[in-house]
This record gives sequence, structure tokens and C-alpha cells, in this order.
Amino acid sequence: GAVVSQHPSRVICKSGTSVKIECRSLDFQATTMFWYRQFPKQSLMLMATSNEGSKATYEQGVEKDKFLINHASLTLSTLTVTSAHPEDSSFYICSAEIAGEETQYFGPGTRLLVL
Amino acid sequence: AQSVTQPDIHITVSEGASLELRCNYSYGATPYLFWYVQSPGQGLQLLLKYFSGDTLVQGIKGFEAEFKRSQSSFNLRKPSVHWSDAAEYFCAVGRWDKLIFGTGTRLQVFP
Repeated sequence: GAVVSQHPSRVICKSGTSVKIECRSLDFQATTMFWYRQFPKQSLMLMATSNEGSKATYEQGVEKDKFLINHASLTLSTLTVTSAHPEDSSFYICSAEIAGEETQYFGPGTRLLVL
Repeated sequence: AQSVTQPDIHITVSEGASLELRCNYSYGATPYLFWYVQSPGQGLQLLLKYFSGDTLVQGIKGFEAEFKRSQSSFNLRKPSVHWSDAAEYFCAVGRWDKLIFGTGTRLQVFP
């Protein structure tokens, strides 16, 4: 149980384009999902918390207009990197919580490379 | 300030040897405590967690961790390491929905 998937696993795009990353909870409903960014050989930095049916809560310093998060259902959250630039290249990881368990289960991550 | 310290950036052990990965934290109250493992290019897998109760916690893959309040530590242990344990290990503390991650310890296992 508690399987979280992400799609795509890897994406390469040109500078200025937008990229959408999907995060799905496969065997449970996730009221709350989280988006993290991980730089090479560094720890995870929380970008935002999304709750189904409401606006995401962004961490300080994260541009909400650049990183659009939508949590339209209890099993799907999406992160759209708008007008991506090379500095947005990173490993993006999502996580989800089984209601009441107070534990985050992580997806396999999406590696974004912006050329 | 709230923080998590994993003092060992890189640890190398022989297969079959015992392992201890250190995690120290600074937090205003007793936090929730987690250990996650990350294989190269992969997401994080939960090894174990501590919320309250018995301070020795058993996890998956033969791992255990002990919460020591007086030392603000939550060290991860395994009595006998397998080659497949080679990975990056992250300690995380805080509220379950506001985790603070350590910088990770990379474990290398020699046959």
C-alpha cells in the first residue's frame, strides 16, 4: 500500500516552455500532497503543500506564478513549471499523506532538464 | 532555530558489518521523527517513524532507530548490512506536514 507515482520520470524541454508533472496516489486517497525540489547531493526543500479542492500553500521564496499546483482530485496533483529556464532544472519529488496517518509517502521523482 | 544535522556525509562499511547513522535535531517541542532511504534517481522510501511511546522503533529491512530525548538524537541502526542497503539516508523531523530534512548520509557497502 501507499504507492505514489509520478509522470514523467524524466523530461527535457527548451527554455521558455511549460512542463507539467503529475503526482498520483495509486492505492489510497490523498487529501494532502506535497511538492519538493532536490538539488544534486542536497536535501529536499518543500516547495508547496496542496489540499484537494483548495489553493496550494507555497513556502517562502517559491514563486507561485512560476510553479502552478493543482490538486483537482483525491488522487492527483499536478505541478506546472511555467516558462521554464535552465535554473529550474532539478529533481522534483511529490509526496502524499494517507488521511490520518500523519506520514508522507513519496513518489519516485521527476528529473527536469531545461536547455 | 529548527534544524536537523546528519554529521556523516559518507559512510563506508563492509557487508555484514553493523551500521549506525546519526541524526541530531534542534526543535522547540518533541517532533515527529522519520528515516527515509533514497536509491539513486529514486524517490524516498519510509524506513521507520517515531511519534510517541517506546523510544526504540523497528522499521522495514531490518532497521531500527532509537529516540533519545536528552541527546536530541534519533540514530538509525542495522546489525548486519547487506549490499542492497547502499543508498542515501535522510533523517526528517518536525510536524508531519512540515518536515525538516537533514542533508543525508550516503552509505557505501563493500563486499
